[in-house]
Amino acid sequence: NAGVTQTPKFQVLKTGQSMTLQCAQDMNHEYMSWYRQDPGMGLRLIHYSVGAGITDQGEVPNGYNVSRSTTEDFPLRLLSAAPSQTSVYFCASSALALQETQYFGPGTRLLVL
Amino acid sequence: AQSVAQPEDQVNVAEGNPLTVKCTYSVSGNPYLFWYVQYPNRGLQFLLKYITGDNLVKGSYGFEAEFNKSQTSFHLKKPSALVSDSALYFCAVNVTGAGNNRKLIWGLGTSLAVNP
Repeated sequence: NAGVTQTPKFQVLKTGQSMTLQCAQDMNHEYMSWYRQDPGMGLRLIHYSVGAGITDQGEVPNGYNVSRSTTEDFPLRLLSAAPSQTSVYFCASSALALQETQYFGPGTRLLVL
Repeated sequence: AQSVAQPEDQVNVAEGNPLTVKCTYSVSGNPYLFWYVQYPNRGLQFLLKYITGDNLVKGSYGFEAEFNKSQTSFHLKKPSALVSDSALYFCAVNVTGAGNNRKLIWGLGTSLAVNP
């Protein structure tokens, strides 16, 4: 199993540009989520999904869109990038039960100029 | 409000000495408790979890954690630290939130530095 994969590893954008961060998992996990990690702020949940066709907002959803058309994929879209979105983004997946372990991707480092 | 606290931003310990990384929580109901580790420029990796049963939980890389219900704590421990244990450690608590939705609450992380 590849686990959770994320692409790209690193991206530089100009303010106002859009892009999609890709996330895929091959463990047949129902639950997938996107976090951003910023110094001193820990992990903050952006969006999550409990299954194909179902998504919901986390703590910091503004400026981001998600969709879940398949169990495997959970892309994160930045509609109009802003410098405040400079961060490291992590995708995670798990089985749906509360006691299940989260599996994280390697992260995407995004710089918005 | 439900929360997880890691009271120390940084912990420094000499190689070979025991280490403790602290975590306390304030949640309703019976939580499920987790520790994750993040090595530089990597994603988070699962270390161990407490669901039920024995209060002392053993995990990866020789780490263990003790669940203390009365003190609402879940401190991470290792008897003998290695330089390779230097990393960022996150405590997390999984609870059922509003509308019966699951919710994972994260601490802000503790940076562990093990000195040779």
